Amino acid sequence: EDQVTQSPEALRLQEGESSSLNCSYTVSGLRGLFWYRQDPGKGPEFLFTLYSAGEEKEKERLKATLTKKESFLHITAPKPEDSATYLCAVQAVDSSYKLIFGSGTRLLVRP
Amino acid sequence: DTGVSQDPRHKITKRGQNVTFRCDPISEHNRLYWYRQTLGQGPEFLTYFQNEAQLEKSRLLSDRFSAERPKGSFSTLEIQRTEQGDSAMYLCASSFSPYNEQFFGPGTRLTVL
Repeated sequence: EDQVTQSPEALRLQEGESSSLNCSYTVSGLRGLFWYRQDPGKGPEFLFTLYSAGEEKEKERLKATLTKKESFLHITAPKPEDSATYLCAVQAVDSSYKLIFGSGTRLLVRP
Repeated sequence: DTGVSQDPRHKITKRGQNVTFRCDPISEHNRLYWYRQTLGQGPEFLTYFQNEAQLEKSRLLSDRFSAERPKGSFSTLEIQRTEQGDSAMYLCASSFSPYNEQFFGPGTRLTVL
């Protein structure tokens, strides 16, 4: 069964303290891995798509990487406005394009 | 604004009542998805449309749930005889083939009393 596990469940950082979020996945065949940001009471906001091992994507202070079993979201010198829940999802090649999500990592960045 | 829109944003209902939610996808997006999200969890897939055809429904989806996309544009999700366990955020997303990125709306928060 396709599955996504994210760790840690929650992470508290000081402003400027870099860290990484982990997304481990098992899927029959990977079509794509997606990272989203979600603020409280809002819908997920698309960040990145990764398709193959070794691929990297960057946006401002965020960098996403992909291996055959996991993905990392690296946050460099975070700011309080980076506080949110970060969701990882996979899409399998034999699926109907549905996304299978992990439970997310709740990030709090303190000033 | 050309993003995904959902209506209503909040719905409070009594157990046993029927409710209907609407989703307007991004213009020209031919794929539309419904997800459900409960507190502390990631979104869970409910159903998927390509144009007006409903191509997949989750095994977990009760027969009290029905969705339509009559002209391949907006979609509705109806829940009949609501139960307290139906309380959740209902999210709609759309994408444009052949691209895989899905863009989400703000969600409809359902509370069943």
